[in-house]
Amino acid sequence: GAVVSQHPSRVICKSGTSVKIECRSLDFQATTMFWYRQFPKQSLMLMATSNEGSKATYEQGVEKDKFLINHASLTLSTLTVTSAHPEDSSFYICSARAPGQGLDTEAFFGQGTRLTVV
Amino acid sequence: LAKTTQPISMDSYEGQEVNITCSHNNIATNDYITWYQQFPSQGPRFIIQGYKTKVTNEVASLFIPADRKSSTLSLPRVSLSDTAVYYCLVGDTGSGNTGKLIFGQGTTLQVKP
Repeated sequence: GAVVSQHPSRVICKSGTSVKIECRSLDFQATTMFWYRQFPKQSLMLMATSNEGSKATYEQGVEKDKFLINHASLTLSTLTVTSAHPEDSSFYICSARAPGQGLDTEAFFGQGTRLTVV
Repeated sequence: LAKTTQPISMDSYEGQEVNITCSHNNIATNDYITWYQQFPSQGPRFIIQGYKTKVTNEVASLFIPADRKSSTLSLPRVSLSDTAVYYCLVGDTGSGNTGKLIFGQGTTLQVKP
């Protein structure tokens, strides 16, 4: 089946620095990808919808200037956490559907990225 | 997007059948029902999807009554490796939909030996 890959799987950064997380669709082209954040013992929270070639759509309460999303190609979306702080430490997950498919098909999720800000 | 309600947690023993019910009273005509499984520190994984009646695949069955206001995920003969969080989601297949999925709280299933 289709695969979505995230990199890195784990990252530790110092407070105040920026971290970039990559999300790739390995065997299909994704015009739309989604970024989620998950805190310990909580559910996934949708942060934004990444649209290839256009601006991302952010969910209410998510700071677009802090969480920069770039979807420059049909197989790659990146999430950059700028000026990271310890409260940004979380598990970040991306997902995508193959183009031309509605919600009656599965979404594919990356393996997640564990961000720890020290 | 329709809101879903599931039990927060369930316990079971190896070899038993587990049924997790999800309530989605406000499901719309175009909504499909999808279940995902998530292990710690991993992304969710698709289990099964359905629109009405019963769907079965190699890992689970999904039962959806005629009014579609609830659904039940059935896992036959669970093993320790089925310990995970299970999420029920409903989504709109309309042409204007972006395809985003909104996750509820999920059900933490603990399988005991």
